[in-house]
Amino acid sequence: GAGVSQSPRYKVAKRGQDVALRCDPISGHVSLFWYQQALGQGPEFLTYFQNEAQLDKSGLPSDRFFAERPEGSVSTLKIQRTQQEDSAVYLCASSPYGQGSYEQYFGPGTRLTVT
Amino acid sequence: DQQVKQNSPSLSVQEGRISILNCDYTNSMFDYFLWYKKYPAEGPTFLISISSIKDKNEDGRFTVFLNKSAKHLSLHIVPSQPGDSAVYFCAASAQPSGNTPLVFGKGTRLSVIA
Repeated sequence: GAGVSQSPRYKVAKRGQDVALRCDPISGHVSLFWYQQALGQGPEFLTYFQNEAQLDKSGLPSDRFFAERPEGSVSTLKIQRTQQEDSAVYLCASSPYGQGSYEQYFGPGTRLTVT
Repeated sequence: DQQVKQNSPSLSVQEGRISILNCDYTNSMFDYFLWYKKYPAEGPTFLISISSIKDKNEDGRFTVFLNKSAKHLSLHIVPSQPGDSAVYFCAASAQPSGNTPLVFGKGTRLSVIA
């Protein structure tokens, strides 16, 4: 079946521009996560949804970052007034909810470059 | 402060030999540990996991060992193959379900030389 997909795969933004990154999780997966991966680092947690509810946004680095999942499926991560330090790969992951199912399935990521 | 540490940024191994990747953690609340493999321009792919009630889990050529008292785990790949060349991430969480954020190490780049 189809895995997690993300679009666009690559995005170049000028400093100060707004960007929107899309994630299509695996069909039926209840949990959805966003991670940020800077160059040479491991993925770092940004935010988590269970269906349409955003249960944890403790990893969002500033109020310029906003995420939504209005119908409990597709999610969008929006970054307003992008800064150079926002340059990173943004990874989306989904997971079925339930005890024991702790694998998260990752998409290919969106590489954001802010110039 | 890094809660999950992979202290070797890179590892080079000959084809057919054993690859051992190490991971240390500091948070005693972590009970579930996962290894992910990542190729360039792709997302991380789940490889193998272990919960703290076990000290070993095996899946084909891959075995993960957990030493909870030392807060240390390792991934063994035997025999190593050129296709195993990738970046390997160790990840941990405090709960078993898929509704908990993972904490990742910085990764170890494995190169398997033919």
